[in-house]
Amino acid sequence: GQNIDQPTEMTATEGAIVQINCTYQTSGFNGLFWYQQHAGEAPTFLSYNVLDGLEEKGRFSSFLSRSKGYSYLLLKELQMKDSASYLCAVMDSNYQLIWGAGTKLIIKP
Amino acid sequence: GAVVSQHPSRVICKSGTSVKIECRSLDFQATTMFWYRQFPKQSLMLMATSNEGSKATYEQGVEKDKFLINHASLTLSTLTVTSAHPEDSSFYICSASSSGNPYSGANVLTFGAGSRLTVL
Repeated sequence: GQNIDQPTEMTATEGAIVQINCTYQTSGFNGLFWYQQHAGEAPTFLSYNVLDGLEEKGRFSSFLSRSKGYSYLLLKELQMKDSASYLCAVMDSNYQLIWGAGTKLIIKP
Repeated sequence: GAVVSQHPSRVICKSGTSVKIECRSLDFQATTMFWYRQFPKQSLMLMATSNEGSKATYEQGVEKDKFLINHASLTLSTLTVTSAHPEDSSFYICSASSSGNPYSGANVLTFGAGSRLTVL
């Protein structure tokens, strides 16, 4: 079967750095997405990785290793507004998005 | 950027009634839209893929007669929850791709704001 694994919940301190990991097992691979979802709101796009390596976008970076079936989202200089759920999703060989359950990130002052 | 408008944002209805949720792409044409359901503290669950001018493709376990999807134009898809029951209470979210081809590897989905349905 296909599955995406990511931690259920993480806690970090304002101003610090946090890394949210995602491992996946899917039928084929056409890219990995990270979305941010605040409570009660719809997800918003953060990043897309299809090649191995690190993609940096401001305070957020996303890393992919296809051979390991592994990705992480790195958030720097954490702000209180970064408190949200972070969803990892993989597009399989049929171009279907397989979603992880999300990681709830709690930022403490 | 691409915007998807979803309406209503919140709806409360009595058991047995039907509820319609609209999803519009405001500044782009979306030949394909996706409908998701999300229960509290759970991830998105794809319900169906809505294709303009043709029948929707439903995921396994989703009742097509209960969740009616209509995609009559390139900018509008509707989801009607028929004969709603309390167990249908959930957060319903639509999404569309602004990249033209929703099945391309570089597809980025734009989500509507979601509709929270409460069935009493």
